[in-house]
Amino acid sequence: EAGVAQSPRYKIIEKRQSVAFWCNPISGHATLYWYQQILGQGPKLLIQFQNNGVVDDSQLPKDRFSAERLKGVDSTLKIQPAKLEDSAVYLCASSFHTDRISHFGPGTRLTVT
Amino acid sequence: KQEVTQIPAALSVPEGENLVLNCSFTDSAIYNLQWFRQDPGKGLTSLLLIQSSQREQTSGRLNASLDKSSGRSTLYIAASQPGDSATYLCAVRNDYKLSFGAGTTVTVRA
Repeated sequence: EAGVAQSPRYKIIEKRQSVAFWCNPISGHATLYWYQQILGQGPKLLIQFQNNGVVDDSQLPKDRFSAERLKGVDSTLKIQPAKLEDSAVYLCASSFHTDRISHFGPGTRLTVT
Repeated sequence: KQEVTQIPAALSVPEGENLVLNCSFTDSAIYNLQWFRQDPGKGLTSLLLIQSSQREQTSGRLNASLDKSSGRSTLYIAASQPGDSATYLCAVRNDYKLSFGAGTTVTVRA
């Protein structure tokens, strides 16, 4: 089966610019997650979708981050405006079951200068 | 708030030695626990899932144990190989929230 697809793989922007990441989960996976992983730390959940509804976005900095999952399939995560501390790897994950994560994408490495 | 700790942060062993990776968590009211592997520049790969009612789970050379009362899980990797070099993360689920540790980076020397 095809894995979780993410693009772009790398992105370098200046602070105060905007950026968008795209994720295509595994077909049939209703649950989709966006995680932020800062170097040397474990992933931190930004937002969890069940189909196209939001289950948890309590750690999403809503003044600058937004995410959507159109038609319960693909998802985009946007940052506007970016700050230096947003430099991290942004991981998308999907799962058929709601009580576990089965597949992660390769991530997008964001560098904010 | 669940806190997940993995010590040591890094580990280097010669090929063939057994690996013991530790994970501790503060809130024992967990639903399940997952162990993941992360290779440089790649996403995470799920290795094992242990439900809260289980004491251990095995897959090939991997064995994970869970002691909820003491807030600990251990991942054992038998007869390590250079291909086992990676970062290993544990993640603990309470209700629907999954909390990750920072991981243990393992280097297996040939």
